[in-house]
Amino acid sequence: DTEVTQTPKHLVMGMTNKKSLKCEQHMGHRAMYWYKQKAKKPPELMFVYSYEKLSINESVPSRFSPECPNSSLLNLHLHALQPEDSALYLCASSQASGVSYNEQFFGPGTRLTVL
Amino acid sequence: KQEVTQIPAALSVPEGENLVLNCSFTDSAIYNLQWFRQDPGKGLTSLLLIQSSQREQTSGRLNASLDKSSGRSTLYIAASQPGDSATYLCAPGAGSYQLTFGKGTKLSVIP
Repeated sequence: DTEVTQTPKHLVMGMTNKKSLKCEQHMGHRAMYWYKQKAKKPPELMFVYSYEKLSINESVPSRFSPECPNSSLLNLHLHALQPEDSALYLCASSQASGVSYNEQFFGPGTRLTVL
Repeated sequence: KQEVTQIPAALSVPEGENLVLNCSFTDSAIYNLQWFRQDPGKGLTSLLLIQSSQREQTSGRLNASLDKSSGRSTLYIAASQPGDSATYLCAPGAGSYQLTFGKGTKLSVIP
């Protein structure tokens, strides 16, 4: 299984809502990532978890809260978002060590719209 | 800070043509380099990974080369097909799980 799955595919939320994005992989990868991608721009790294511990936080606002409950799952909790947070949110995973370290595999993304 | 440039930004070719996409990067201290494909509104599909010790990597009609010392990589697509139409992203990888993405080359293959 070389697939990273993300749910939901689309999400529309108001600025006062709380919602969560979910990501799952069964490749045995121990590094998982959240990226944000605006239209016609490359992906921007938000968070990296390595062995279920937060390894990188690219100065992301606290209204985005990541969680890694186990080695296969990654969540992104959203609260009090702004319209400018509307984007495609991508999850990725990779080995955390070894020769294929950092070869990242991406999910299909969640298209988020904040009203 | 790593900067990645992809040229051209957009490319339109007739079906069956061979083509080359270019990627340059400023910091040669990379661990590897990945080429991705992205269809509109979709996630990224990994096409090829080249380790820093390698010069080339091939998968089907795709061939990627890496010249780490000069900070350049190319993606060669043979016998292009309409299904190859997508945006192609280059991403050199440094340590600590970091990939730096270029802005991509949008490829259109005309039947």
